[in-house]
Amino acid sequence: NAGVTQTPKFRILKIGQSMTLQCTQDMNHNYMYWYRQDPGMGLKLIYYSVGAGITDKGEVPNGYNVSRSTTEDFPLRLELAAPSQTSVYFCASSYDHGGNEKLFFGSGTQLSVL
Amino acid sequence: EDKVVQSPLSLVVHEGDTVTLNCSYEVTNFRSLLWYKQEKKAPTFLFMLTSSGIEKKSGRLSSILDKKELFSILNITATQTGDSAIYLCAHAGNMLTFGGGTRLMVKP
Repeated sequence: NAGVTQTPKFRILKIGQSMTLQCTQDMNHNYMYWYRQDPGMGLKLIYYSVGAGITDKGEVPNGYNVSRSTTEDFPLRLELAAPSQTSVYFCASSYDHGGNEKLFFGSGTQLSVL
Repeated sequence: EDKVVQSPLSLVVHEGDTVTLNCSYEVTNFRSLLWYKQEKKAPTFLFMLTSSGIEKKSGRLSSILDKKELFSILNITATQTGDSAIYLCAHAGNMLTFGGGTRLMVKP
């Protein structure tokens, strides 16, 4: 039972570098989400997707991009890394909208931008 | 803009104590309120509440929702060191909005 798989678990970037955080789920969930969690804070929604080919902005989308070419995969792209993007990133999925179904989370990616 | 506020920010208790964590919300389109426990990494689901006044219970944890006063509480009785974690409350409206969390530390 893989559930939601995120890679990498840790990454250090230099300012201005780019990277892609990978997220895949094997539960055939329609909804997928990317959150970031700063130290001592709750989770803030970056982007979400309601199905393949459909994505939308969350609360804090600036500096990020996403795509959803398949039901399983929802990668998050950082184009020009900035220190403000130092955070823990969580991918999550649910079968239905988060209001009707609990979220399943990946194990997180700890990203530091120096 | 939907808002979820949790209190207290942090709490230190001793094993055997009972704690109450608070979650208040201001939302435009209420669907449900969820509680999660976050230990080392990813949050794990505890409860989903949709109706006022109906208590959800799981072992020593219980939660209740008041839709009129727009808040929910999470109770933990006879706390154990394994209850130490961040407890997150989230409102599910048009999207899932999380509060800032309450960091609970249970000392032996």
